[in-house]
Amino acid sequence: EAGVAQSPRYKIIEKRQSVAFWCNPISGHATLYWYQQILGQGPKLLIQFQNNGVVDDSQLPKDRFSAERLKGVDSTLKIQPAKLEDSAVYLCASSFGQQINYGYTFGSGTRLTVV
Amino acid sequence: TQLLEQSPQFLSIQEGENLTVYCNSSSVFSSLQWYRQEPGEGPVLLVTVVTGGEVKKLKRLTFQFGDARKDSSLHITAAQPGDTGLYLCAGIRDAGKSTFGDGTTLTVKP
Repeated sequence: EAGVAQSPRYKIIEKRQSVAFWCNPISGHATLYWYQQILGQGPKLLIQFQNNGVVDDSQLPKDRFSAERLKGVDSTLKIQPAKLEDSAVYLCASSFGQQINYGYTFGSGTRLTVV
Repeated sequence: TQLLEQSPQFLSIQEGENLTVYCNSSSVFSSLQWYRQEPGEGPVLLVTVVTGGEVKKLKRLTFQFGDARKDSSLHITAAQPGDTGLYLCAGIRDAGKSTFGDGTTLTVKP
């Protein structure tokens, strides 16, 4: 079974620039999550999709972050404009069902450095 | 507000030693998961515990969920260098929403 694919693996941008991350979940996984993991901390949920609908985006900084999953499969997360504090690893995860008891499968993440 | 406190934050031991790491909260969770994360990779699910007092074993790893479903522990017997990594716990509430702790970074020296 192919895992969760993310790209790019690394990105360095200047503050105020924009950046986009891409995620392709495991085939058949209806639920997709974007997490932000700052160095030394655990992952923090940014947004959760069920198919192409948003289930939870309460912790997404909507003034600068946006995400979409138009066809209910792959997803993009965008930051515009980026700030220094956005430097982190952005993890995409998917699961078979909405209940986390199924467990997440995470991608390898995109490491973003904002300078 | 940090709902899950993991301790210790860092742990460095010699190969062959035993260790226990903890995940504590004042909140009740419907279930709790443990993950291990290696540098440059995403977390990988190790186990899910659901019932208060439940104990699960995975080879040299023993996981326990507290009776009140507010805390959990992970015990590793005879640690090996391959056990090195960041151990994360995630508490799941009834709505299916999860919260991760900040993890314990384990280093096992050969």
